[in-house]
Parts: sequence; C-alpha cells; structure tokens
Amino acid sequence: AQTVTQSQPEMSVQEAETVTLSCTYDTSESDYYLFWYKQPPSRQMILVIRQEAYKQQNATENRFSVNFQKAAKSFSLKISDSQLGDAAMYFCAYRRPGTASKLTFGTGTRLQVTL
Amino acid sequence: SQTIHQWPATLVQPVGSPLSLECTVEGTSNPNLYWYRQAAGRGLQLLFYSVGIGQISSEVPQNLSASRPQDRQFILSSKKLLLSDSGFYLCAWGAEGQNIQYFGAGTRLSVL
Repeated sequence: AQTVTQSQPEMSVQEAETVTLSCTYDTSESDYYLFWYKQPPSRQMILVIRQEAYKQQNATENRFSVNFQKAAKSFSLKISDSQLGDAAMYFCAYRRPGTASKLTFGTGTRLQVTL
Repeated sequence: SQTIHQWPATLVQPVGSPLSLECTVEGTSNPNLYWYRQAAGRGLQLLFYSVGIGQISSEVPQNLSASRPQDRQFILSSKKLLLSDSGFYLCAWGAEGQNIQYFGAGTRLSVL
C-alpha cells in the first residue's frame, strides 16, 4: 500500500522569505502523480501544484515549486517570497493512475507566516 | 466553469440520529465523485467513490453509506450516528482521464 509521510508537523517562515516543506512517499508503482494541497482556516482543500512521475522537470506555479526526487521518493514544496496568505495546513498527496483512483494524503504540515 | 457545492457547512447531531450530507457538481458531466473524512489533526481518508450513477465503492467499512441518485449528486448517509462519526467531511470531483481532484468547502459534523 502506498503511504505518504510529512515529518514536519509545523513550520514557520518570515514574510518574504523562502520555506521548504518535506514529503516522502512509498510506492512500488513507476507511474503516479503527486500533489500539494493547501487547507486554509476555511478548511477548503485547494490544489497548489502537481507533478507527474514520468516528468523529470520539476513543476512550478508562480511562487510555488517542487523538488521531485523519484529515486529517493521525495517530493518537497518550496514557497518563495512567503506571504501572510500562505499560512495554512499543507498536505502532500499521492495518486496512482487509473479510473477514480484515490488520493492518499500525508498528515500535513502547519505553516505559520510571521511579520 | 465547474463548481462543487456541499451542504450543510456545519451540523450538530445527537448520537443515534440519521445523517444526510449532500454534494453536487455543476458544469461537467459524468464526474468521478469522492467522499473523504478528515479527523482532527489528520490527513484525509477516502470513504467512498463513484464513477457513475448508482455505482458506489467503499474504501473503509463503517457506519456510513453513500448514494449517487443523479449524475452530479453524491449523498453521504447514516441511519444512526456514532460519536466516532464526528469529523470534517469533504466531497471532491474529478474528470475522467484527469488526475486532479477538486474539493468542496466541507461539512463539519459534531456528534454529541
């Protein structure tokens, strides 16, 4: 079974600085998808960024980028120029290919952004 | 554009009472639909998913059931709630052939 591990329960970053959230996963599949979701206090899950395992190039979405290391099964999220609105729970998730395949989530990292 | 609606946003129910949470999707057809539960301080756990009307798959044995009476409607139910059913319930949808799931705003259920 696939598992997703986020070893940092909480992280803190100063406004305008850069922070990296860690995620590791375990799978025997060679093709799969990885995601970072953000859950603000409103608790709605918002997709931040996704990565296809077959792509070597790391995904980037504005201030958000990932460091995908397939051999190490590592998928970290880097947030540059942190803003107060980035404060939230961040969840790493894994999905294997296939119809209606489920998302397997990590336990989350709570990110605080300070002035 | 596609939107997903969940209601109610908050619900407080006594133990032993029935439950019905509803989720609807607009702007797409034949979506894959999902119910997740998030316990306090935890990640999300998939409860049910559906690939079409009347087609329900259960991931975790429990006190809950799901139904899909219409293409874009997904309902989570219980005949008798338990204290352990308390949590945050999220509905999600995904298009066939795509790998992204989009989430509703969630329902906070407290069973007292």
